[in-house]
Amino acid sequence: DAGVTQSPTHLIKTRGQQVTLRCSPKSGHDTVSWYQQALGQGPQFIFQYYEEEERQRGNFPDRFSGHQFPNYSSELNVNALLLGDSALYLCASSLSLTATNEKLFFGSGTQLSVL
Amino acid sequence: AQTVTQSQPEMSVQEAETVTLSCTYDTSESDYYLFWYKQPPSRQMILVIRQEAYKQQNATENRFSVNFQKAAKSFSLKISDSQLGDAAMYFCAYNGQNFVFGPGTRLSVLP
Repeated sequence: DAGVTQSPTHLIKTRGQQVTLRCSPKSGHDTVSWYQQALGQGPQFIFQYYEEEERQRGNFPDRFSGHQFPNYSSELNVNALLLGDSALYLCASSLSLTATNEKLFFGSGTQLSVL
Repeated sequence: AQTVTQSQPEMSVQEAETVTLSCTYDTSESDYYLFWYKQPPSRQMILVIRQEAYKQQNATENRFSVNFQKAAKSFSLKISDSQLGDAAMYFCAYNGQNFVFGPGTRLSVLP
């Protein structure tokens, strides 16, 4: 049973460029969330996708956008990259959109460096 | 908005000893869950333990247990018989409308 997989594992971009990160959820999961984890900090919620729609969003600008495909996989897009976007981007999947007891299963993340 | 605070940026414990990591949170919601996640150098977040807010009984998972004080909004993690493999970042998390993570505590285990 494959867990949550993310690609690529590392990425280097320059300011102003655009980037796309990919995530495949754990088998059987239909909800995908994205988190940004800056160095030395806890993960910050970016947004959550369910049934191919963005259902919740954290305090992130519109430069951050996403997509969910019919097979539940998801992409995170960041436009006009800033130095401050350098971080570990974590994808998490879960079974349910709204259950507060729902465990998140995380991937190993994509380390994005913006130069 | 919900917030989660971990007041200990770093902790250390001798192998086989017991250590307690602190966490406090703030919320006005009545239905929520609390979690402790571990993040080893591999970066993958791993669930350690989960607590239902409406249950008085503290959750336990083998060597890991919590002390949940709902009125005080406190949720500490106790690790007994610490092992070298327990060394990692530990994040306290709250789930109501969405997940909110604390800033983390880096735990070192000394041989």
